Amino acid sequence: DGGITQSPKYLFRKEGQNVTLSCEQNLNHDAMYWYRQDPGQGLRLIYYSQIVNDFQKGDIAEGYSVSREKKESFPLTVTSAQKNPTAFYLCASSIGTSAGELFFGEGSRLTVL
Amino acid sequence: SQKIEQNSEALNIQEGKTATLTCNYTNYSPAYLQWYRQDPGRGPVFLLLIRENEKEKRKERLKVTFDTTLKQSLFHITASQPADSATYLCALDDNNDMRFGAGTRLTVKP
Repeated sequence: DGGITQSPKYLFRKEGQNVTLSCEQNLNHDAMYWYRQDPGQGLRLIYYSQIVNDFQKGDIAEGYSVSREKKESFPLTVTSAQKNPTAFYLCASSIGTSAGELFFGEGSRLTVL
Repeated sequence: SQKIEQNSEALNIQEGKTATLTCNYTNYSPAYLQWYRQDPGRGPVFLLLIRENEKEKRKERLKVTFDTTLKQSLFHITASQPADSATYLCALDDNNDMRFGAGTRLTVKP
């Protein structure tokens, strides 16, 4: 079945550590996105990528980094520079970037201890 | 400033009734608007898309309206069932970036 796979589902991190969240899709979609979800707030865009080897910052990119070396993969690194990293992280993809539905993964919940 | 507001954080209704959820926006001019369903601890799932030149869209028990004058979208679930209990998110197009509301948590009681 086609879809988006995020891992790990739950992740605990000590302050000062970098962590990488995995996102893989087999939908052959060009565009991929990372969102952050906090209670009582809408999803906020961290980074997005429209093609391989290219990505753009979203609204809250500070403290995060991404890569897009393969069409199928768009990992997100939460660096120690991110001041409040505890959140639910969602990866999504779409066929293009215009009027397309977003297909989401199941999310990764990061907790900083 | 730009805002997307979804009515009340939580909505409780009785099984069989129609649920109506509201999405209001300020300082956006979306070409289209989408609605998603999100269950606890899971990723959102796309439900419907409505374009600015469409007044209404239906899919089974779901109906969405889009009023660009009022800057509002209404999302209706008719003959609601306990299985419809979830959080519903509206999202609108902002120059090809999708902007999301915080969601409305719907509970349908048997």
